Formats: sequence, C-alpha cells, structure tokens
Amino acid sequence: DQQVKQNSPSLSVQEGRISILNCDYTNSMFDYFLWYKKYPAEGPTFLISISSIKDKNEDGRFTVFLNKSAKHLSLHIVPSQPGDSAVYFCAGRGGSNYKLTFGKGTLLTVNP
Amino acid sequence: DAGVIQSPRHEVTEMGQEVTLRCKPISGHNSLFWYRQTMMRGLELLIYFNNNVPIDDSGMPEDRFSAKMPNASFSTLKIQPSEPRDSAVYFCASSPGQGGKTQYFGPGTRLLVL
Repeated sequence: DQQVKQNSPSLSVQEGRISILNCDYTNSMFDYFLWYKKYPAEGPTFLISISSIKDKNEDGRFTVFLNKSAKHLSLHIVPSQPGDSAVYFCAGRGGSNYKLTFGKGTLLTVNP
Repeated sequence: DAGVIQSPRHEVTEMGQEVTLRCKPISGHNSLFWYRQTMMRGLELLIYFNNNVPIDDSGMPEDRFSAKMPNASFSTLKIQPSEPRDSAVYFCASSPGQGGKTQYFGPGTRLLVL
C-alpha cells in the first residue's frame, strides 16, 4: 500500500527551463508535505514544505503546489540549473507528528 | 556545524554475521529516526526515538533488528544475524522537538550482506 507515489522515475530537462516533479498521495490525514533532494552518496536534504491548508509555497526558484481535491502536489523549479540534478523525494506527514511517508523518488537530470 | 554523523559509511559482511550501525544526531535534537532505503520499498521508517526513548518501532522488520539510544548523542542499529535481503542503505535522521516535520539526514551506511 503505497501512500505516496512518484510515478515518474526520471525526468530530463534543459538548463534554464522549468522542471516539474509530480507526487500523488492517498492518505487524507497528511497535514504537511515535504520535498527532499538527494545527491549520490549523501543523505536527503530538506528542500521545501507546504501545509495542507495552503495551496502554494514559494522559496526562490522552488515552488510547491498542492491540490487537495486531486490529492496531488508538484514541485516547480524555475529556472533549472545543472546543480539541481538529483533525486527528489516527496513525503507526507500524517497519523502522528513525526511520521513521514516517502515516495520512491524522481531522478532529475538538468542538461547544460 | 556538524550534521548527523553515521558510521561506517560502507559495510560488507557475510550472511549470519552481526552488523552494528552507528549514529550521532545533531546536538540539541531530541528526535532520532532510523530509515532503510531499498529499490523495492523506497525510504521507510524503521524506528523513532524521542528523548532517547523508543516511541515507534513498528517499522522494524524482524526480531533480528534492534536499536538503542543510550544517550542523547548516540544511537545504534543492530542486525543479528544478517541476511542478504538486509542489503540496503540505512539512514539516521534527527529533528528538533517532538515533531518530525523537518528531519536532517546523515549520509547513510551502505550495507551489503553476501
């Protein structure tokens, strides 16, 4: 039972263009959603989050959109840079204030 | 500032051997998490400690797995006996306060059981 799904294992975009990473969830109890970025041989690092009572949160080049009715969120990166190449994990917090449920990740490659 | 420290970074062992993974959380963080990452199951929570006390170990796969946190600056995850299906990357993460909204991950231990 996968509560958080990232259906695209990989995504390739050109430098300067927009990257859109998608995430679907099934658990209506999630109260926060988070995006983590992971480089090879490193642990995931927190990128941006959004409360379930909001529909958009922006931080520099990164914007997360939440569509609760569709149980869908997306991460937009504009403009994309080669240093953004990494695996991106979507996570939902719910059921308890500590438990994060992660998707399997999407590998983003930004080509120069 | 030192982040979460894990050791060893890589471990290769033979089936049946005992494996001990170590973690030092960020100073001042009182929540600690152990995760396992595999291709099949992604990143899954194994156990959660708050103020050195295990709060949720529902993710620990079997009795072969055990975790301890003897003090605020050290935790271990032990597998005894190890099996090939335990091969994975094991991450430790810490978080300030009781909540886990923003968790800070260590670099992970890549375990290979032959």
